[in-house]
Amino acid sequence: GAGVSQSPRYKVTKRGQDVALRCDPISGHVSLYWYRQALGQGPEFLTYFNYEAQQDKSGLPNDRFSAERPEGSISTLTIQRTEQRDSAMYRCASSFGPDEQYFGPGTRLTVT
Amino acid sequence: GENVEQHPSTLSVQEGDSAVIKCTYSDSASNYFPWYKQELGKGPQLIIDIRSNVGEKKDQRIAVTLNKTAKHFSLHITETQPEDSAVYFCAASGSGGGADGLTFGKGTHLIIQP
Repeated sequence: GAGVSQSPRYKVTKRGQDVALRCDPISGHVSLYWYRQALGQGPEFLTYFNYEAQQDKSGLPNDRFSAERPEGSISTLTIQRTEQRDSAMYRCASSFGPDEQYFGPGTRLTVT
Repeated sequence: GENVEQHPSTLSVQEGDSAVIKCTYSDSASNYFPWYKQELGKGPQLIIDIRSNVGEKKDQRIAVTLNKTAKHFSLHITETQPEDSAVYFCAASGSGGGADGLTFGKGTHLIIQP
């Protein structure tokens, strides 16, 4: 079946603009996770949802970052007033149960 | 919070030889330990995982061992092939008791020499 999909795959934005990154999880997967991956590093946890409920947002760097999953399926990660340090690969993963997270291809965000 | 250390950062082996990558973790409450393979330009791919009630798990040429007392776990790849070349990440989670964010190591770049 279809895996996790993310859009857009690439996003270039100017400093100060807001961006919205979308994740479409594997059908039927209860949990959805957002990570950020810098070049040459492992993914860094940002936040996750069980169904539509945001369970843990301890990894969000600051209050410019927010996420939602209003109907328990597609999720959006929003970054307000983007800064150059926000440039990274943003990855989404989903899982049916508490383990076995499957990752999407990511969105490469570049803030100029 | 959890901290995962991974070694080595780069590993070069001859095709057909074995490769071993090691990780340590800090949170004794962690109970789930997956390994991911990441090829250039792609997302991490889950290749094997182990839970804390098991000491070893094997899947064809890949095996993972876990020592909960010492808080370390290892990935073993036997009979390495060129397609095994990639970056491998270990991770840990589970101290929350349910679905949980993963804490990743910094990765090992595995190079298979022909």
